[in-house]
Amino acid sequence: AQSVTQLGSHVSVSEGALVLLRCNYSSSVPPYLFWYVQYPNQGLQLLLKYTTGATLVKGINGFEAEFKKSETSFHLTKPSAHMSDAAEYFCAVSGGSNYKLTFGKGTLLTVNP
Amino acid sequence: GAVVSQHPSRVICKSGTSVKIECRSLDFQATTMFWYRQFPKQSLMLMATSNEGSKATYEQGVEKDKFLINHASLTLSTLTVTSAHPEDSSFYICSARALGVDYGYTFGSGTRLTVV
Repeated sequence: AQSVTQLGSHVSVSEGALVLLRCNYSSSVPPYLFWYVQYPNQGLQLLLKYTTGATLVKGINGFEAEFKKSETSFHLTKPSAHMSDAAEYFCAVSGGSNYKLTFGKGTLLTVNP
Repeated sequence: GAVVSQHPSRVICKSGTSVKIECRSLDFQATTMFWYRQFPKQSLMLMATSNEGSKATYEQGVEKDKFLINHASLTLSTLTVTSAHPEDSSFYICSARALGVDYGYTFGSGTRLTVV
């Protein structure tokens, strides 16, 4: 069984400020972890993923996330927010042989000028 | 990179009619495709998983006879919403996974279904 908890359904930051979106997971097998971004009425775009190896993962658009097994976390960060980062962000976990992705409820990021 | 094309992007249909949504992998062979439903301001709910050439596996609570899924080839999966009702109005998204790709899931752009 696997689940994802995203703390904070809505995060608001100022342009240029640090972005931190929190994600905690549970998984009965070694997890594969993902962050996706969704713009209104669009599908999901992969920002980054962790499968194995280096626990600090760099993604597109300046985002990165760190897998911390001891904390069962995979928080997403970006040093400096841009207006174009305003969107819905989903953390997801996959594991086991069925390859299903389990999504968190999402965090809406707003960026204020 | 991997691209999944989903059509139509928007569809409005009358109650009682059926609607077909197509999901195509353009530059890779999708051994597994997933269909999700997303309610406004909510997360994605997995409806079913389909493997090419075999019957789809539906999640608990999803009506197999209402949401028909066909994965006849390695590049095409379809979702047909049969006898649609207003409560079927939602955003439907497909996702494809390629054999041998390290846990790569590519998503379509979604279909906004409105049943009137």
